[in-house]
Amino acid sequence: AQSVTQLDSQVPVFEEAPVELRCNYSSSVSVYLFWYVQYPNQGLQLLLKYLSGSTLVKGINGFEAEFNKSQTSFHLRKPSVHISDTAEYFCAVSDPGFQKLVFGTGTRLLVSP
Amino acid sequence: EPEVTQTPSHQVTQMGQEVILRCVPISNHLYFYWYRQILGQKVEFLVSFYNNEISEKSEIFDDQFSVERPDGSNFTLKIRSTKLEDSAMYFCASSTEGYRETQYFGPGTRLLVL
Repeated sequence: AQSVTQLDSQVPVFEEAPVELRCNYSSSVSVYLFWYVQYPNQGLQLLLKYLSGSTLVKGINGFEAEFNKSQTSFHLRKPSVHISDTAEYFCAVSDPGFQKLVFGTGTRLLVSP
Repeated sequence: EPEVTQTPSHQVTQMGQEVILRCVPISNHLYFYWYRQILGQKVEFLVSFYNNEISEKSEIFDDQFSVERPDGSNFTLKIRSTKLEDSAMYFCASSTEGYRETQYFGPGTRLLVL
């Protein structure tokens, strides 16, 4: 069965610093990969997704992620964070042909001035 | 921008009672989903629904759960006899296609079973 590991439960960072949120998945077959963000009292919002093609994926709000098949990773990065990026970030995976998303436990990004 | 809405935002119920959680998916979407998140745990898939029938379900989605699209706009999740362990945040989502496409999530219903 698919699983997703987000090793960091919480990442504190100062405003304008770069950040990387780590995500590893378990699969030996092709997968689709997603990053969602959840702001307080809101639903999950898609940041970006990898389906195929270029391994570097750009998303909304200046985020990007790189698919690394050999390391089964899909880490999320942003070169300079804002206070407004404070939120919970979820990595998710799905198998082609299936609808369900399998989520990681989430990483809380805390941006301070 | 169209969004998925869910009602109620919070619900408190007694163990053994039936609850119905309601969702209004985005209007041109064809696939509908329910997920749940027990406090401090992962977001877990429950069920997907297409063309008026369940297309996928998880092992969590047992006979206590059912889903329905009673009219052209609502999508509901019913829990027949709630247990303490059903306490969670329940998210509805919808998408245009079944896979590859972005699933758009609602804000969730927080269910507390006492």
